Amino acid sequence: NAGVTQTPKFRILKIGQSMTLQCAQDMNHNYMYWYRQDPGMGLKLIYYSVGAGITDKGEVPNGYNVSRSTTEDFPLRLELAAPSQTSVYFCASSFGLAGWNEQFFGPGTRLTVL
Amino acid sequence: DAKTTQPNSMESNEEEPVHLPCNHSTISGTDYIHWYRQLPSQGPEYVIHGLTSNVNNRMASLAIAEDRKSSTLILHRATLRDAAVYYCILGGDNAGNMLTFGGGTRLMVKP
Repeated sequence: NAGVTQTPKFRILKIGQSMTLQCAQDMNHNYMYWYRQDPGMGLKLIYYSVGAGITDKGEVPNGYNVSRSTTEDFPLRLELAAPSQTSVYFCASSFGLAGWNEQFFGPGTRLTVL
Repeated sequence: DAKTTQPNSMESNEEEPVHLPCNHSTISGTDYIHWYRQLPSQGPEYVIHGLTSNVNNRMASLAIAEDRKSSTLILHRATLRDAAVYYCILGGDNAGNMLTFGGGTRLMVKP
């Protein structure tokens, strides 16, 4: 099992550009999550999904979009990148609700917006 | 929202036990206590979780106070590889999918 994989590892964007952060898991988990982590801070939930076709906002969804067309994939889309979106982005998955189940995290994508 | 309070940092010597405290005085009856850790430049990693009883696994032990207002993560023999930020998080009915990762405790292990 590869677990949770994320691509790319690093990316530099110019202000106003768009990009998609990829996330995939091979554990057949229904629940998937996107977090961001600013320097020296804890993680904040951006969006989550409880299954294919179902997504919901987390704590900091503004400036991001998600889709979940398959169980395995949960891409995060940044439209019109801003310097405030400079952060490390982590994708995670779990068998059930995060409140009761172990989350598995990917290695992260380090994004810089200049 | 039920929140947790942890010391910003702690130091330990290699091969000694480490007790990482967490206060959660507003915990509700259905909140689980989760611990995750984050090694430098990596994603968080699950350590352990529990509801009321103490829990043990291959990584650590979780001791939960009888009133559940505090808990302690115990690493029985710290190694250099255990140097990380440790997050104590409440999850359950109230949190649903919204786990809140606060600042955590940065554990430094001295050889």
